[in-house]
Amino acid sequence: DSGVTQTPKHLITATGQRVTLRCSPRSGDLSVYWYQQSLDQGLQFLIQYYNGEERAKGNILERFSAQQFPDLHSELNLSSLELGDSALYFCASSVDTGQETQYFGPGTRLLVL
Amino acid sequence: AQTVTQSQPEMSVQEAETVTLSCTYDTSENNYYLFWYKQPPSRQMILVIRQEAYKQQNATENRFSVNFQKAAKSFSLKISDSQLGDTAMYFCAFMNAGNNRKLIWGLGTSLAVNP
Repeated sequence: DSGVTQTPKHLITATGQRVTLRCSPRSGDLSVYWYQQSLDQGLQFLIQYYNGEERAKGNILERFSAQQFPDLHSELNLSSLELGDSALYFCASSVDTGQETQYFGPGTRLLVL
Repeated sequence: AQTVTQSQPEMSVQEAETVTLSCTYDTSENNYYLFWYKQPPSRQMILVIRQEAYKQQNATENRFSVNFQKAAKSFSLKISDSQLGDTAMYFCAFMNAGNNRKLIWGLGTSLAVNP
C-alpha cells in the first residue's frame, strides 16, 4: 500500500458525459501528479500540482482539468468524454523537496461506452 | 525532448534464474533521475528501484540491481533469483532534476517468470 488513495476504482460512463476522479496523496506529500495509461499511447503525464498551484502540464486535453485543494487532495475532471478517453488514470504523490520518488495510487479504470 | 526506449516487449525467465531488462534514454541534461517501476496484473504501479544520475554507484534493492551507464545513456535492471511474484510489466522512467518533475516512460517489458 503506497498511501495514495484514488476513488472510484472503476467508472463506466457514456460518450459526452463528465466524470471526476479523486486522489488523496500520502501524508506530508505536497505534489500530486496525474498520468494516463492507455493501450495505444502507453503512460503519459497529464498535469502536476504543488501545494495547490499548477506546476507543470503535459499532454492534457482541453476537455480535461484538474485542481488541488487546501487539504492537498486533487481532482481530475474529464468532460465531453470520448471512446478514446478509456484508460487507467493514475495519481501519484511526492514530497518534492529533494525526495524525487513518486508513489502511485491504485488507479481509476475509466471505460467510456 | 527526452525519450525512453525499452527494446524488449516481452521476456521470460525460469524461476530462480537471473534476467536483465534493457532501457536506454535520450537527454541533453546532466542531472536527472531514473526509475524502474513494476506493474503486476493488479495494475498497481510499484517502485522497484531508483538511480540518481550524479551517483556513480549502481543502485541495489535486495534481488534487484541496475547497471547505470551514463555515457551510453543505458539503465538496465537485473533481477536475481527470479520469483513467480516478479511476473509483471516493468517500466523504465526518466525524470529531470529541474522544476518539471514529470516521469517520462518507456513502453514497458512484460516479464514472465516460469516455474
